Amino acid sequence: DAKTTQPPSMDCAEGRAANLPCNHSTISGNEYVYWYRQIHSQGPQYIIHGLKNNETNEMASLIITEDRKSSTLILPHATLRDTAVYYCIVRWNTDKLIFGTGTRLQVFP
Amino acid sequence: GAVVSQHPSRVICKSGTSVKIECRSLDFQATTMFWYRQFPKQSLMLMATSNEGSKATYEQGVEKDKFLINHASLTLSTLTVTSAHPEDSSFYICSARRSGGSATDTQYFGPGTRLTVL
Repeated sequence: DAKTTQPPSMDCAEGRAANLPCNHSTISGNEYVYWYRQIHSQGPQYIIHGLKNNETNEMASLIITEDRKSSTLILPHATLRDTAVYYCIVRWNTDKLIFGTGTRLQVFP
Repeated sequence: GAVVSQHPSRVICKSGTSVKIECRSLDFQATTMFWYRQFPKQSLMLMATSNEGSKATYEQGVEKDKFLINHASLTLSTLTVTSAHPEDSSFYICSARRSGGSATDTQYFGPGTRLTVL
């Protein structure tokens, strides 16, 4: 079973920041938080991952709370092409990625 | 990021026939590949873990004799749906993890294969 909870859907205006929350209150010390997104009828795309510290790359920023029980994925300037289902995944101490239901982000003009 | 391809992208077959789907890591070697299935409006469901040179590990409830997995090289894994039926119609997606890394290394996904069984 997925160990994360995400809102089923969110809207965001184009050009604004999209902040996608994720709850992972049962995360253990060695587990990472991964974010993937899936645009309709395509394979998932890796976005970012982190353990304790905040992370930033060319796509997004990941903010992890100090207690690591929740995190937020930030798309700083959302575009229409960012419309997708975003999955927050806590990585077990194995190779497996177990997908939950994700958040459907709709970016509107 | 690393590139993973799948072939074919779409396939339509008759009930009772077998279908093979290929998953290739194009610019890296992958000791481990994964196969997922996704039904409409649902999330991805992990079917099996494919390890190069050894037998695949199937998730609970996935029939190993129906979904044959072969990982004969470090860049290719195949999934064969045997005796396909309409209920096997789905979006099949593979992912690959770069060899030599740790268990937390990033997995990269293929574009998926849409299977329709008539």
